[in-house]
Amino acid sequence: GAVVSQHPSWVICKSGTSVKIECRSLDFQATTMFWYRQFPKQSLMLMATSNEGSKATYEQGVEKDKFLINHASLTLSTLTVTSAHPEDSSFYICSATSGRGGETQYFGPGTRLLVL
Amino acid sequence: LAKTTQPISMDSYEGQEVNITCSHNNIATNDYITWYQQFPSQGPRFIIQGYKTKVTNEVASLFIPADRKSSTLSLPRVSLSDTAVYYCLVGDPQGGKLIFGQGTELSVKP
Repeated sequence: GAVVSQHPSWVICKSGTSVKIECRSLDFQATTMFWYRQFPKQSLMLMATSNEGSKATYEQGVEKDKFLINHASLTLSTLTVTSAHPEDSSFYICSATSGRGGETQYFGPGTRLLVL
Repeated sequence: LAKTTQPISMDSYEGQEVNITCSHNNIATNDYITWYQQFPSQGPRFIIQGYKTKVTNEVASLFIPADRKSSTLSLPRVSLSDTAVYYCLVGDPQGGKLIFGQGTELSVKP
């Protein structure tokens, strides 16, 4: 099946700093990528939808200036958490789809962010 | 987007068949039904996807009645390693977003 990678797998940062998370589709071209966050014992919450070459579409309640998303190529999307605070500590997961008929989304392994 | 309803948790024993049913009463014509498995601290893993009737692959079967208002994921002969959270999602796979419900936490016991 399709493979999606994320880097880094975990990161610890100080409050006030920015953190960039990369999401890559390794063996297919992803026209659309999605970013989720997941708190312990909770389900995944969709943050934004990212289409290659265009601005991301954010879900209601997600601050676009805080969570910067860039989908510069068909294999790479990045999520930058700006001025991170402890409440941003979470598990961030991306998914990607080629957008072909019947094609499903494939998820990355996730990135654990801890803000001190 | 179609909302899904699943049991919060299920228990089973090794070697048994497990059936997890998901309700999605307002599924749209273009929506597919997709099931994912998630282990702690990992991204969801695709299990199976279907549109209608029955779909089978090497790990599971998916049964979808004619009205498509529900679906059942069938896991044959589960093992301890099948202990995970299982999510049922409905949506248009052509770039459409998926909204996760609470999922079903399956616990397989020896």
